[in-house]
Amino acid sequence: AQKITQTQPGMFVQEKEAVTLDCTYDTSDPSYGLFWYKQPSSGEMIFLIYQGSYDQQNATEGRYSLNFQKARKSANLVISASQLGDSAMYFCAMREGPGTYKYIFGTGTRLKVLA
Amino acid sequence: DTAVSQTPKYLVTQMGNDKSIKCEQNLGHDTMYWYKQDSKKFLKIMFSYNNKELIINETVPNRFSPKSPDKAHLNLHINSLELGDSAVYFCASSQALTSGRRRDEQYFGPGTRLTVT
Repeated sequence: AQKITQTQPGMFVQEKEAVTLDCTYDTSDPSYGLFWYKQPSSGEMIFLIYQGSYDQQNATEGRYSLNFQKARKSANLVISASQLGDSAMYFCAMREGPGTYKYIFGTGTRLKVLA
Repeated sequence: DTAVSQTPKYLVTQMGNDKSIKCEQNLGHDTMYWYKQDSKKFLKIMFSYNNKELIINETVPNRFSPKSPDKAHLNLHINSLELGDSAVYFCASSQALTSGRRRDEQYFGPGTRLTVT
């Protein structure tokens, strides 16, 4: 079974609008971490946001927020006020347990921001 | 200052050759990783080292041999290169969660694009 599922291979959003990228995960471990990374066309992987399984509040980092719904096992990324520079691949990832050192990545969503 | 660096950035070589990719991190992290990203952008962990000790080896052919001379370096040597080894290889590092550290995101190098002809 897929541990991390990103069902949207590609998304379009108009500049200045908000967009939600979906991510669901599967784990029986009560302690885990969820991450989102951005990969622009230049190829580097950039960390965006982190949510711990015990965190009570949804994580936010600037224009990025993580809509964490633990019971539904979803960790959607919300980008507000999209900019042209947000066009990139976005990966959701999970680390099971506090010390496993194993990070599992989803297949990614390619976001295109339209002017 | 580059946090995680890899050399070379591009590597073009013929089948059957042996090649190495070097990685260095200056973040003081304890854990380093190698990932392979295929042409469909799927990112898969290959190896993980914690304090120079191998802790993850994900069903990678034994033609791939990682080496960690110290905590700041993790190199990847590939023997007898095959066409299917063509991919982008990323090095990454992270620091484990502690009472004073609340998140353990990974920092990635710029990637090495390996092309085997």
